Amino acid sequence: EAGVTQSPTHLIKTRGQQATLRCSPISGHTSVYWYQQALGLGLQFLLWYDEGEERNRGNFPPRFSGRQFPNYSSELNVNALELEDSALYLCASSLHRGPSTDTQYFGPGTRLTVL
Amino acid sequence: AQSVSQHNHHVILSEAASLELGCNYSYGGTVNLFWYVQYPGQHLQLLLKYFSGDPLVKGIKGFEAEFIKSKFSFNLRKPSVQWSDTAEYFCAVNANQAGTALIFGKGTTLSVSS
Repeated sequence: EAGVTQSPTHLIKTRGQQATLRCSPISGHTSVYWYQQALGLGLQFLLWYDEGEERNRGNFPPRFSGRQFPNYSSELNVNALELEDSALYLCASSLHRGPSTDTQYFGPGTRLTVL
Repeated sequence: AQSVSQHNHHVILSEAASLELGCNYSYGGTVNLFWYVQYPGQHLQLLLKYFSGDPLVKGIKGFEAEFIKSKFSFNLRKPSVQWSDTAEYFCAVNANQAGTALIFGKGTTLSVSS
């Protein structure tokens, strides 16, 4: 069974540009989560999508946004990029069928570098 | 707000030594608890998890963790580490509601020398 996949692996942008990151969940999983792993800050929750809806977001500005498609894949968009957005962006997916099944499985991440 | 503390930033051990990594969380309600591992050059992988029941849970590669509710702790243990256990270890918590975000600790880097 394929795991969570993310693309691209690396992304280099300049300040002010927009970045789009993509995630495909494990087959059958309906929930997708986005996390930012920045140097010195650890893993921080960004966004949660389930059944096409944004269910929760972390303490990040509105220029971090995304969506979930009917096939449950997801996109994370970061507008007006700033240098401090440079980080590894991780996507995770889960079944979301109740607490005992809600284990999140992570993809390999997209390394975003803002110059 | 929920938070997770991992007390050891960097642990250095020799092969065959025993390992215990501390994890404490702050949340008054029912929680789900996880340990994830990130081997060099690899993505974050689930090591073990606790939802309910026996507070001593066993995971992959000989790891185990004990949930002590009174101490708000979920420490990770392994009786005898191997060089291949060199990795970064993350403790994570979410409230016992389906789909809530994981709150991660800052991580502990384990270096095992052969």
